[in-house]
Amino acid sequence: AQSVTQPDARVTVSEGASLQLRCKYSYFGTPYLFWYVQYPRQGLQLLLKYYPGDPVVQGVNGFEAEFSKSNSSFHLRKASVHWSDWAVYFCAVRLSGYNKLTFGKGTVLLVSP
Amino acid sequence: GALVYQYPRRTICKSGTSMRMECQAVGFQATSVAWYRQSPQKTFELIALSTVNSAIKYEQNFTQEKFPISHPNLSFSSMTVLNAYLEDRGLYLCGATGDSYEQYFGPGTRLTVL
Repeated sequence: AQSVTQPDARVTVSEGASLQLRCKYSYFGTPYLFWYVQYPRQGLQLLLKYYPGDPVVQGVNGFEAEFSKSNSSFHLRKASVHWSDWAVYFCAVRLSGYNKLTFGKGTVLLVSP
Repeated sequence: GALVYQYPRRTICKSGTSMRMECQAVGFQATSVAWYRQSPQKTFELIALSTVNSAIKYEQNFTQEKFPISHPNLSFSSMTVLNAYLEDRGLYLCGATGDSYEQYFGPGTRLTVL
């Protein structure tokens, strides 16, 4: 069965510093991968998505992610973090042809001044 | 653009009672709707996946008897939490998918059980 692991429950980054949030997936076949963000007391917003193709995908607000088949990873990156990026970030995988998402446990991003 | 609305945004019910929540897709045809629950301090669990003209598929630990779902057309779905108890509290998200295979989420219905 497919699964998603976000090994870091919490990450603290200084404002203006770079960011990487880790995501590892376990899946038989070619995955469709997503990063979502959940701001406090809100639902989910899509940051970016990977469909088979270019391994580096660009998202909203300066986020990008890189798919690595050899490492089974889909890490999220941002060059310069802003205080408004404080939120919970979820990595998710979808089975091809099946509209079900499997989510990781989420990583809380804290931004320090 | 594609939008998903959920109603109500938050609700409180007494233990043992039931509550119904709705999901509406606007700007696209929702050929499938997935209902998820985020319990406090946890991630999103899929409750069931509903595809128009197909049977609704429930995940392990979730049943139709507890979470009956209606998906009568390509823009609307509803789910009821029957006989709600404390462990049913959380944020219920509706994810609707159209032809683009991208799943759009509503803002969620937050359920509190007293």
